[in-house]
Amino acid sequence: KNQVEQSPQSLIILEGKNCTLQCNYTVSPFSNLRWYKQDTGRGPVSLTIMTFSENTKSNGRYTATLDADTKQSSLHITASQLSDSASYICVVQGANDYKLSFGAGTTVTVRA
Amino acid sequence: NAGVTQTPKFQVLKTGQSMTLQCAQDMNHNSMYWYRQDPGMGLRLIYYSASEGTTDKGEVPNGYNVSRLNKREFSLRLESAAPSQTSVYFCASREDRLNNSPLHFGNGTRLTVT
Repeated sequence: KNQVEQSPQSLIILEGKNCTLQCNYTVSPFSNLRWYKQDTGRGPVSLTIMTFSENTKSNGRYTATLDADTKQSSLHITASQLSDSASYICVVQGANDYKLSFGAGTTVTVRA
Repeated sequence: NAGVTQTPKFQVLKTGQSMTLQCAQDMNHNSMYWYRQDPGMGLRLIYYSASEGTTDKGEVPNGYNVSRLNKREFSLRLESAAPSQTSVYFCASREDRLNNSPLHFGNGTRLTVT
């Protein structure tokens, strides 16, 4: 069973609207959680990193949250733009083995 | 500043043929990785090199070999391609496996095995 589960698998939103992506993980002990954005035909690019002590972090219109107690993270996209259309991947790093565990990603489509 | 460069971008092989995917990074990173990405399955680690001179298996190493040629270059070889190896292959590097540094990915090689 995958140690990182993302939901929804895909979503479609209208330009200007907000959306929230979820990431649940079972990796333990946990070191950090990172969100990547992958545009079609390109490699993933890091958006933000959350460590154990952080609850919220923003990067422009992207806001990530982390609840280490419930092992849940979310990525909120505010005022979506067409360029936000991409796949968003949650990656969790273990604290002991430094292993990276990948979610399957959420595909976001922003329509005009 | 090129980052991580992968070649080729596309490749079609017949079953049984061999090929080598090339990867180079110009960021002086210690660790390098090869992943495959299949629909609905996320990125899966094939092999990685924690530092120059070392290589280790990931979760799906069967049918592949790697070479860490020097600190910059990390190649992936398919000795006898199979249709199950049809996938998009990504090379990545990071400053060090043991810290919080992000992965930097190339733009992938789309491989089709017929």
